[in-house]
Amino acid sequence: NAGVTQTPKFQVLKTGQSMTLQCAQDMNHEYMSWYRQDPGMGLRLIHYSVGAGITDQGEVPNGYNVSRSTTEDFPLRLLSAAPSQTSVYFCASSPGTGVDGYTFGSGTRLTVV
Amino acid sequence: AQRVTQPEKLLSVFKGAPVELKCNYSYSGSPELFWYVQYSRQRLQLLLRHISRESIKGFTADLNKGETSFHLKKPFAQEEDSAMYYCALGDTGFQKLVFGTGTRLLVSP
Repeated sequence: NAGVTQTPKFQVLKTGQSMTLQCAQDMNHEYMSWYRQDPGMGLRLIHYSVGAGITDQGEVPNGYNVSRSTTEDFPLRLLSAAPSQTSVYFCASSPGTGVDGYTFGSGTRLTVV
Repeated sequence: AQRVTQPEKLLSVFKGAPVELKCNYSYSGSPELFWYVQYSRQRLQLLLRHISRESIKGFTADLNKGETSFHLKKPFAQEEDSAMYYCALGDTGFQKLVFGTGTRLLVSP
């Protein structure tokens, strides 16, 4: 099992550019989430999904879009990158029970200049 | 609304000293609480879950519903415990996790 795989690991964007951060899991988990990690602010939830075709907004959704067409994939799209979106982005998945918690990917470090 | 508070940004101790990382939560439902650890520039790893009442790497955490707390404790800190620790709260149905702002633990020799 690869677990949760995120690509790319690093990315530099210019202000106004768009891009998609990829997230894939091979554990057949129903629940998937995207977080951003910023110094002093912990992890903040951007969007989450409880199954294919179902997504919802988290705490900081503005400037980001998601879709969930398959159980395995949960891409995060930045529509028009801004310097405030410079952050480390983590994807996570869960089978939906409290016992197992969420499994995290290794993160994407994004810099917007 | 769910909220997790970790009041300490940094906790610095010497090797062999006891450690307590504080976590308080606010939630109207039945809470599911976790501790995650992040070693330098690595992914978050699940350390403890309250439902399992386990001890991992010498760490324990007890859910106190009266004080709405889930503090992480270890009797004797080791240098390899130095990391960022996050407390997290799962909502009803466990559809998402809400994290605290994290506490950096620094264990000096």
